[in-house]
Amino acid sequence: DSGVTQTPKHLITATGQRVTLRCSPRSGDLSVYWYQQSLDQGLQFLIHYYNGEERAKGNILERFSAQQFPDLHSELNLSSLELGDSALYFCASSVVFGDSSYNEQFFGPGTRLTVL
Amino acid sequence: DQQVKQNSPSLSVQEGRISILNCDYTNSMFDYFLWYKKYPAEGPTFLISISSIKDKNEDGRFTVFLNKSAKHLSLHIVPSQPGDSAVYFCAASASGGAQKLVFGQGTRLTINP
Repeated sequence: DSGVTQTPKHLITATGQRVTLRCSPRSGDLSVYWYQQSLDQGLQFLIHYYNGEERAKGNILERFSAQQFPDLHSELNLSSLELGDSALYFCASSVVFGDSSYNEQFFGPGTRLTVL
Repeated sequence: DQQVKQNSPSLSVQEGRISILNCDYTNSMFDYFLWYKKYPAEGPTFLISISSIKDKNEDGRFTVFLNKSAKHLSLHIVPSQPGDSAVYFCAASASGGAQKLVFGQGTRLTINP
């Protein structure tokens, strides 16, 4: 158990819909990262938040957005869903931010999104 | 442009022998490297990491070697155990940047009895 929790575990929805994925980081971790793993793909970085502020964006579609709340939990919002958005979405947290190169990230169990 | 590559999609090793998983990278800004293990229906689990100021890091049965000039790292598992059967991902990050991890495609390791 990494200490990172994600809900829901599974989500099945239809094209055009909007969903929200939730992540609670490990106690004490200020950084939250979101990754997407599509079928036969490696993990792709989506976005990084540190203590409530967006710090970096990766290959995140404009239909996707995220936020980190004062209690440090984070939500990833996916809208106007398409079949190709079906994937595993992982949240990770770490205590490190800044110039340090020591960046172990601890991953949650993921949310499997299926768009029909 | 795949900055982190794991060229072997799968590897099969006999129990008790050494497993060697390889990873190559292209971005010279990477200065921290990690290995994760992933079981089906679970998130990646952090295994071991190495900073670019080192060329070896050991933790129990797991050793990671870094060859900066070749932009290559490897994970050695000795001795291999059935519970090591999983997908292994190599990841890299650059300090002072986005702090994101760039992952390879993964290598499926199967330990045979």
